[in-house]
Amino acid sequence: AQSVSQHNHHVILSEAASLELGCNYSYGGTVNLFWYVQYPGQHLQLLLKYFSGDPLVKGIKGFEAEFIKSKFSFNLRKPSVQWSDTAEYFCAVNARAAGNKLTFGGGTRVLVKP
Amino acid sequence: DGGITQSPKYLFRKEGQNVTLSCEQNLNHDAMYWYRQDPGQGLRLIYYSQIVNDFQKGDIAEGYSVSREKKESFPLTVTSAQKNPTAFYLCASSLAAGVNEQFFGPGTRLTVL
Repeated sequence: AQSVSQHNHHVILSEAASLELGCNYSYGGTVNLFWYVQYPGQHLQLLLKYFSGDPLVKGIKGFEAEFIKSKFSFNLRKPSVQWSDTAEYFCAVNARAAGNKLTFGGGTRVLVKP
Repeated sequence: DGGITQSPKYLFRKEGQNVTLSCEQNLNHDAMYWYRQDPGQGLRLIYYSQIVNDFQKGDIAEGYSVSREKKESFPLTVTSAQKNPTAFYLCASSLAAGVNEQFFGPGTRLTVL
């Protein structure tokens, strides 16, 4: 079945460490890619998105993601995390091959220790 | 203050009862969505509506029903036929169906006893 995979379910790291969260999808053709974040007790909100153009996308709060078409990947990165980055992160893919519905990965819980 | 409201935040029901979760948006969005969030499974699409008086099944529609009589409202009914209804339910909307960014409500946590 076509899907979106996030390989890490839980990540624990210290402040100032670098963060990279993997996301792979299995859809061919045109895709639009998103990373959403859910801070404790808050709404799910958009971190960044890729529709076309430069495959390196900058988002809010110092996050960025790189679309590598050949690897079907859209990994999220932040060079130096803060305690306030503790949250659950979701990768999502909108694919024409999937009827233009948004399909989410399973999420990665990130805990940043002060 | 524009956005999406879901009520209530917590809901408890006895097994065998139908329950309706409300979702209202004042963003003037055409498309609305219902997702179910379970630990480790991300968000799974239950139903979506691209326009008033129209809706389609998502990936896990069995045991659920919706209506879209008004642009701003998209209530979800969890019926007694849903085998595992206890979950966190999220409503979202977007300007139009398809590629647009979706905006999410705060969610309703339903517990069936």
